[in-house]
Amino acid sequence: DSGVTQTPKHLITATGQRVTLRCSPRSGDLSVYWYQQSLDQGLQFLIQYYNGEERAKGNILERFSAQQFPDLHSELNLSSLELGDSALYFCASSPRGSGAHYNEQFFGPGTRLTVL
Amino acid sequence: GENVEQHPSTLSVQEGDSAVIKCTYSDSASNYFPWYKQELGKRPQLIIDIRSNVGEKKDQRIAVTLNKTAKHFSLHITETQPEDSAVYFCAASLGTSYDKVIFGPGTSLSVIP
Repeated sequence: DSGVTQTPKHLITATGQRVTLRCSPRSGDLSVYWYQQSLDQGLQFLIQYYNGEERAKGNILERFSAQQFPDLHSELNLSSLELGDSALYFCASSPRGSGAHYNEQFFGPGTRLTVL
Repeated sequence: GENVEQHPSTLSVQEGDSAVIKCTYSDSASNYFPWYKQELGKRPQLIIDIRSNVGEKKDQRIAVTLNKTAKHFSLHITETQPEDSAVYFCAASLGTSYDKVIFGPGTSLSVIP
């Protein structure tokens, strides 16, 4: 167990709908990252937040948005869903510049999104 | 933009043989290179990492080498076992933004008993 939690574990919805994925980082970690992993695909970086502020953006669609709240949990909002959005969405967290865990990202179990 | 390439995309080895996965990166400022293992249906997990001030690091059957001049690094697994079968991702930190890494596309390793 990495200490990162994600809910829900599975999500099935229809095209055109909107969903929210939730992530709670490890205690003390300030950075949260979101990744999309489609079938047989690698980890596509979507977005990173650090202590409540957006830090970096990857290939995130305009239909997707995210935020990090004061308690450091993060939510990824996916709207106007399309079939191609079906994927495993991972959240990861990391501390910032501290000892042996410098840069290491701890991944959550993922949310499997199925768009029908 | 910054990029990490990884080869091969798939690799099959006989149990007991060695496996080598190679990665190249484009950002000369990268200073941290982790490797993650993802078993089927599970989360990626860090298995080993190396920082730019060392050229090689070993942890039991796993070793990683780094050549900063050539901007490439490799994962070596010796005495492979069936439980080593997984997808392996290399990654490189993004320059001065040391808390962000760019992942390679992954290598699917199959160890045949």
